[in-house]
Amino acid sequence: EVQLVQSGAEVKKPGESLKISCKGSGYSFTSYWIGWVRQMPGKGLEWMGIIYPGDSDTRYSPSFQGQVTISADKSISTAYLQWSSLKASDTAMYYCARASGSYDFDYWGQGTLVTVSS
Amino acid sequence: AIQLTQSPSSLSASVGDRVTITCRASQGISSALAWYQQKPGKAPKLLIYDASSLESGVPSRFSGSGSGTDFTLTISSLQPEDFATYYCQQFNNYLFTFGPGTKVDIK
Repeated sequence: EVQLVQSGAEVKKPGESLKISCKGSGYSFTSYWIGWVRQMPGKGLEWMGIIYPGDSDTRYSPSFQGQVTISADKSISTAYLQWSSLKASDTAMYYCARASGSYDFDYWGQGTLVTVSS
Repeated sequence: AIQLTQSPSSLSASVGDRVTITCRASQGISSALAWYQQKPGKAPKLLIYDASSLESGVPSRFSGSGSGTDFTLTISSLQPEDFATYYCQQFNNYLFTFGPGTKVDIK
């Protein structure tokens, strides 16, 4: 069974750094792109970027380029999303999702809620 | 970057109604379009891929059509569990975009 399990909710202060994770199982982790999607409170879905764990090829949405870093450790089948300096506007639910061969997102993690507040 | 618009942004419907949601791309994307359903507090769920292919396990009352710039998601007979927000998503040149969503609620 394909599963993506994300790390737990985080509460951080502005200016702090953060790295959240997404562990894949039940499939060949290195053979599928993993994407990250932001959903701000009460708002829609925003694609942030995507990584191919097989070779760490990474693409970013222009809206998120330079704002976050996406990485992966294929030895432990885990993808990451990180911030070096959080802002209150980063408060959101963050989902990881596997991109299928048709480049839709066929499996999703349960989401990680990030709250940034002073 | 390719932009997606959806219409309507929200609609009210009754159980048994036929519902159609439209997604328009700012430039042609062939059939590289997917549809998702999201319920409050839950992750999105893939319904349709490649514009018209039904994801495994998704009820056949859901269907998708279109190519190029204009796409539709149709629910042939709305069921109580279908009240949710629906998003389209496109893929082009390793860039993805989601539409703004259409909320379907109970009339």
